[in-house]
Amino acid sequence: QLQLQESGPGLVKPSETLSLTCSVSGGSISSSSYYWGWIRQPPGKGLEWIGSIYYSGNTLYNPSLKSRVTMSVDTSKNQFSLNLTSVTAADTAVYYCDQVNVVLPAAPSWGQGTLVTVSS
Amino acid sequence: EIVLTQSPGTLSFSPGERATLSCRASQSVSSKYLAWYQQKPGQAPRLLIYGASSRATGIPDRFSGSGSGTDFTLTISRLEPEDFAVYYCQQFGSSPWTFGQGTKVEIK
Repeated sequence: QLQLQESGPGLVKPSETLSLTCSVSGGSISSSSYYWGWIRQPPGKGLEWIGSIYYSGNTLYNPSLKSRVTMSVDTSKNQFSLNLTSVTAADTAVYYCDQVNVVLPAAPSWGQGTLVTVSS
Repeated sequence: EIVLTQSPGTLSFSPGERATLSCRASQSVSSKYLAWYQQKPGQAPRLLIYGASSRATGIPDRFSGSGSGTDFTLTISRLEPEDFAVYYCQQFGSSPWTFGQGTKVEIK
């Protein structure tokens, strides 16, 4: 059973960089069928896709965040990461990592999410 | 960008009734890449349907998904008290991947 777990600071100061890591267990991040991604949900609002990365490093980013987002994969640790620069209060949200199969119809998997608050 | 429109934003039902939720795409979406989620307050979204019509593991058979192209539907055949929640559709066939804005199913 694939499991994803987000980790990182719960509080980030305005203008700084938000950094999160998703640890994958029960499966390999190097599997060729999957994209690994990040989704966020501000308090009381809907879901927003941030971006996704393939194990080779190929990335897909939401155009609305692309200038501030960097994702990376560490296959040796079976992890992938998100960096979001120049954060403001509008970036306060629950951040989820996920895995989707882009080859076959298969159930996506999500982590439980981690709340990141941007505040001084 | 493919815009997913879920309307109306809120639906009111009594327990035991049938609920039909709509997700309309601004461009054609491959059924392979269409999913539905349920979210309750304070909880992470729970996958209900993937591939437009396949139920996720452990999802009761009162939940069903259908549709193709630009029109997709989530049907709850008989609403149970625990089904009152917000429902989102998502497409990940065309970047940027997108979510609908959600439909809240509330108790009448």
